[in-house]
Amino acid sequence: AQSVTQPDIHITVSEGASLELRCNYSYGATPYLFWYVQSPGQGLQLLLKYFSGDTLVQGIKGFEAEFKRSQSSFNLRKPSVHWSDAAEYFCAVGVRNTDKLIFGTGTRLQVFP
Amino acid sequence: EPEVTQTPSHQVTQMGQEVILRCVPISNHLYFYWYRQILGQKVEFLVSFYNNEISEKSEIFDDQFSVERPDGSNFTLKIRSTKLEDSAMYFCASSEQNTGELFFGEGSRLTVL
Repeated sequence: AQSVTQPDIHITVSEGASLELRCNYSYGATPYLFWYVQSPGQGLQLLLKYFSGDTLVQGIKGFEAEFKRSQSSFNLRKPSVHWSDAAEYFCAVGVRNTDKLIFGTGTRLQVFP
Repeated sequence: EPEVTQTPSHQVTQMGQEVILRCVPISNHLYFYWYRQILGQKVEFLVSFYNNEISEKSEIFDDQFSVERPDGSNFTLKIRSTKLEDSAMYFCASSEQNTGELFFGEGSRLTVL
């Protein structure tokens, strides 16, 4: 069955530090992969997506993610975190030929000044 | 920027009561979804809707749930007889194509007492 694992429940970084949020997936074929961000009191906003092609994808707000098939991973990175990046981040896999997304449990990012 | 809007933002109801959650998807989108997030748990797929019918539903979406697009703009989720375990944040989403690039609303928090 398809699943998404985000091993880190909570991460704290200092403003200006680099960031990597981990995501591993279980899926029988090449997946559609997504990262969404949820700020407090807000809905989920799409940061970036991978469908095919270049395995390094760029998203909004300076985020990028790299699809590594051999590791079944799709980790999210940002070279320099801003205080406004504090939020909950969700990795998701899209199941081909269906309509649904399967989400991970999320990683809460806290940013210290 | 177009957005998905949801009402109410928070509803408190007694167990056994009917609840209707409303959503206005982005106007040119064709695919509509409901997801829910029980406090501290994953965002879970409930149902997808396309061409005026349900295209897929999860095992959570039992006979107590129904969806409707009554007037070409609103998309509603009805829970016929609420249970305590229905307490959650319910997210509406829409997309132009069914590739997982969803636009989410801010959510409706349902509290069942």
